[in-house]
Amino acid sequence: ETGVTQTPRHLVMGMTNKKSLKCEQHLGHNAMYWYKQSAKKPLELMFVYSLEERVENNSVPSRFSPECPNSSHLFLHLHTLQPEDSALYLCASSRQSGTGGYTFGSGTRLTVV
Amino acid sequence: GESVGLHLPTLSVQEGDNSIINCAYSNSASDYFIWYKQESGKGPQFIIDIRSNMDKRQGQRVTVLLNKTVKHLSLQIAATQPGDSAVYFCAENRDYGQNFVFGPGTRLSVLP
Repeated sequence: ETGVTQTPRHLVMGMTNKKSLKCEQHLGHNAMYWYKQSAKKPLELMFVYSLEERVENNSVPSRFSPECPNSSHLFLHLHTLQPEDSALYLCASSRQSGTGGYTFGSGTRLTVV
Repeated sequence: GESVGLHLPTLSVQEGDNSIINCAYSNSASDYFIWYKQESGKGPQFIIDIRSNMDKRQGQRVTVLLNKTVKHLSLQIAATQPGDSAVYFCAENRDYGQNFVFGPGTRLSVLP
């Protein structure tokens, strides 16, 4: 375990479903991230939260909606996804300075059918 | 959490040999670099980092070399073991900010 826990590990959802991905860290980090990893683009930054405030939204479609209720928890709410959204969704956390890089979770493997 | 399906450059080495994985980074202003290892079923894991005021940094069985002139980073793994089989990513950062830019990755395959 890295200290960053993601649930669920695997998710299959229909295009009309609504689901949420959860990420939790207790490393004392105050920045959290969502990344998408797929066959076409290995690691795409989606969202950055620093001190619970969203500081970056990397042109992500509105069918992805992040939520950061506190510095230890991060959610990614999903609705009306497309098959091309099937990918590995990785959560990471870091110190605000970025020194030491990210600590990643193991990811949620999402399949949209 | 596997990277199966990614069409990555692949490096195959014999167990016990040394491995060299290369990375060309994009931003000449980048001043902090990290190598990550991603094993099947896991997220990327920090291996070693280097700041731009250094040319070389050594860890346990790993060495990172930085050539700022040609914007090139390499990861050397000594006495490669089966457990080293994974995808390796370099990441660059500027001003110790929060946002890292990741390279496309290289798949290392260790042959018995």
